[in-house]
Amino acid sequence: RKEVEQDPGPFNVPEGATVAFNCTYSNSASQSFFWYRQDCRKEPKLLMSVYSSGNEDGRFTAQLNRASQYISLLIRDSKLSDSATYLCVVNVLNRDDKIIFGKGTRLHILP
Amino acid sequence: EAQVTQNPRYLITVTGKKLTVTCSQNMNHEYMSWYRQDPGLGLRQIYYSMNVEVTDKGDVPEGYKVSRKEKRNFPLILESPSPNQTSLYFCASSQPTTISLNEQFFGPGTRLTVL
Repeated sequence: RKEVEQDPGPFNVPEGATVAFNCTYSNSASQSFFWYRQDCRKEPKLLMSVYSSGNEDGRFTAQLNRASQYISLLIRDSKLSDSATYLCVVNVLNRDDKIIFGKGTRLHILP
Repeated sequence: EAQVTQNPRYLITVTGKKLTVTCSQNMNHEYMSWYRQDPGLGLRQIYYSMNVEVTDKGDVPEGYKVSRKEKRNFPLILESPSPNQTSLYFCASSQPTTISLNEQFFGPGTRLTVL
């Protein structure tokens, strides 16, 4: 099983719809979790940290399920500007403090 | 303005010609890292540094060197570049907490082509 797995997509979603992505991780020692957004040929930027209790920022909601080892990202009322690649990032707590990036999920919001 | 800078942003070179990509951050972060991003492979870590004079291999270190003589700088060195090192490279920095790493701040990227 890969360390961090994401559905590569693309997800083609009409503007205004709700879309959700999941990301699974294999290492139970994973300590912290993030969603990053990456626009084409640009650097990744932090979208949200993912807390055990779940967190919400405007139209975006992130959740963590430790028992099933996945995190999720929900985007409500999607906008054209939400079109991007969404990267799941997992920080594994061990001697080397390893950071693992998923390969990303591409999202296209259609007008 | 808090930022990570990389230079050059674009570079075309030939096989075997040594090159250095510089990375600098002004946030006093202890952790710095280099990644390469290739289509279908995502971001892969090349090297990282937990602090000055401390560097470790990531997932794909072959063909690369790094140094961390100062906290703010973390150059990536390709002693003898080869075409399979053609890629988009990102430098990133972060400030660790007691249990994990925080948000990583990325530089704008360096697009390298090795002919």
